[in-house]
Order: sequence, then C-alpha cells, then structure tokens
Amino acid sequence: SYVLTQPPSVSVAPGQTARITCGGNNIGSKSVHWYQQKPGQAPVLVVYDDSDRPSGIPERFSGSNSGNTATLTISRVEAGDEADYYCQVWDSSSDHRGVFGGGTKLTVL
Amino acid sequence: EVQLVQSGAEVKKPGESLKISCKGSGYSFTSYWIGWVRQMPGKGLEWMGIIYPGDSDTRYSPSFQGQVTISADKSISTAYLQWSSLKASDTAMYYCARHLRSSTSGYYMDVWGKGTTVTVSS
Repeated sequence: SYVLTQPPSVSVAPGQTARITCGGNNIGSKSVHWYQQKPGQAPVLVVYDDSDRPSGIPERFSGSNSGNTATLTISRVEAGDEADYYCQVWDSSSDHRGVFGGGTKLTVL
Repeated sequence: EVQLVQSGAEVKKPGESLKISCKGSGYSFTSYWIGWVRQMPGKGLEWMGIIYPGDSDTRYSPSFQGQVTISADKSISTAYLQWSSLKASDTAMYYCARHLRSSTSGYYMDVWGKGTTVTVSS
C-alpha cells in the first residue's frame, strides 16, 4: 500500500513562510491534496490537484509536487494558520482508496 | 450551499451495534461519491471507504473491510456507517466527506461533515 510521510511538526514566526512536505514514492505522478484541521473542527480542503485553491482559501496557501515530494507553502503566516495539516493522494495501484499522510502540526511562534 | 449534516454523538457498550448517518443537501446526492474518515483520539485521519449513492457501488480500505458497512438511502440523501459489534478501539470521531474527481485520477474531499463522536466503553 502507498505510504505518505510528513514531518510531525513545523514551527514558523508570524510573517514568515512555512513549508510542509509530504513524501511518497514517485508522488509527482499523483495529484496531491491538502487539508487544514484546527482543534475541535472538521478538516478543510486548502489545496487540491497539487496547486489549486478552493474558493475562499487565501492566496497565501500554495502547493507544488515533483519527484518524491509534495509541498504545501503558507506565505506570510498568521496566528490563525496554526493547525494540523494533512496531505492526501489516491492509491489506484490495487485497492482504489484514499491515503492520508500522518499530519503535520504547524506552530506559529 | 453544499452541506453534510451528521448525526449526534453516541455512547455504546462493547458488542452493541450502531449506525450513524450523514445527510447531504445543496447538491445532487446521487452524483457524487461520499465517504467516511476516522480520527482516533489525538491521532491523524484514516480513510475508511466510499459509496456512490447513485448505484450503491462501495469501496473499502483493507483496514476497514469486514469491520464496518457503508450504505446509502438516496431517497433521503443520507449515507450511513454501521457496526454490528462495537469494540473499545472503535472509539473515535467519524467524518463523512463528499468526494470530487481529481484532474488526474482518484478523488479528494471538498466538503466535510462536522463529525460524529463514537465512544465505546463498558
């Protein structure tokens, strides 16, 4: 089965840029989607298809995907961006199922 | 507005059965896959499975195959997740989520319910 690897935590000062990675074997050949989850709330889609943003998501959120690593980039980080972030792909190799990374806790210092 | 409204929190004993629900509105319920995601206390998201309400085609993650049943009643735009015999390890938050087709292959989840807390304790 396909495995996605995320760092457990990332810390950044307000106004700086946060980069959260998601590693997987040849992940560049897949579409990667990112979700933000704040404490006590349901996840929210922030980036889909590697780099597209749903309506209502600030332009500060962007994504890229190449080789074995996908990256969610949050520019000009704000205190309200502090949350858990999960990457997700679809594993079509055998079972046709969704796969999530383990999640990354973003701390705004 | 597209919405998924989930049923309320449940407290059950080991061995009991349970069926939780997720009602869709604001879109054509039969035209989109809808699935379930588990989040155990303090842990990450786990994809469980999906159903296409239009024809009840259902797919499960191998981790959950045989452990739960996903169903849907398209006449009332509602998807279900059920257990026949709960275990303490089923204690978790369960989210339903609408699945949209990705540009390449597969799906992502664009709209989520607020979640249903299931507590299993003797």
